[in-house]
Amino acid sequence: ETGVTQTPRHLVMGMTNKKSLKCEQHLGHNAMYWYKQSAKKPLELMFVYSLEERVENNSVPSRFSPECPNSSHLFLHLHTLQPEDSALYLCASSQIGPGNTIYFGEGSWLTVV
Amino acid sequence: GDSVTQMEGPVTLSEEAFLTINCTYTATGYPSLFWYVQYPGEGLQLLLKATKADDKGSNKGFEATYRKETTSFHLEKGSVQVSDSAVYFCALSDPTGKLIFGQGTTLQVKP
Repeated sequence: ETGVTQTPRHLVMGMTNKKSLKCEQHLGHNAMYWYKQSAKKPLELMFVYSLEERVENNSVPSRFSPECPNSSHLFLHLHTLQPEDSALYLCASSQIGPGNTIYFGEGSWLTVV
Repeated sequence: GDSVTQMEGPVTLSEEAFLTINCTYTATGYPSLFWYVQYPGEGLQLLLKATKADDKGSNKGFEATYRKETTSFHLEKGSVQVSDSAVYFCALSDPTGKLIFGQGTTLQVKP
């Protein structure tokens, strides 16, 4: 059972493609996150959405474009990626506020060829 | 800024051995502390948490105690199993609620 669902689980895309990662949370949370996990940097916070507004963007290149249409859904739009962008992309959600547990999805494995 | 430091891995143990994974933190204020586990090919799962000093979090035989005086939150288990092989992440919750992670420690348990 997972309260945070990510699709697709695996994605292979060329450097000129445009694709999107989707995340849905069923936990009634009001904050959502994208993390990148790679061998070089285990867990990097990319974006934070709080009450559907982006509140943090950690110097992420513009080839990554997040979208949060409502409190349950989060997308990561991908275009003209580089091979070094190959990684596991993790979506997460929580209630806003310090100390609240953040719940993660199982991740989307992205390979850029 | 706030930060978390974990012992470097990999840690390799035999089944039924005692496990300790060290975690220390630097933070202003009194953050909540977490241990997450990532099994091969999966996302992160919350293992346990503690929200104030001297609290002990526990789950699945794992324990960690929030030590304010040593700014530590070491993970322990008395008898590990092969199924405990995974990557373990220590984390703190900053004042905005975001998690700051350590670099992760890989545990391999051999039968």
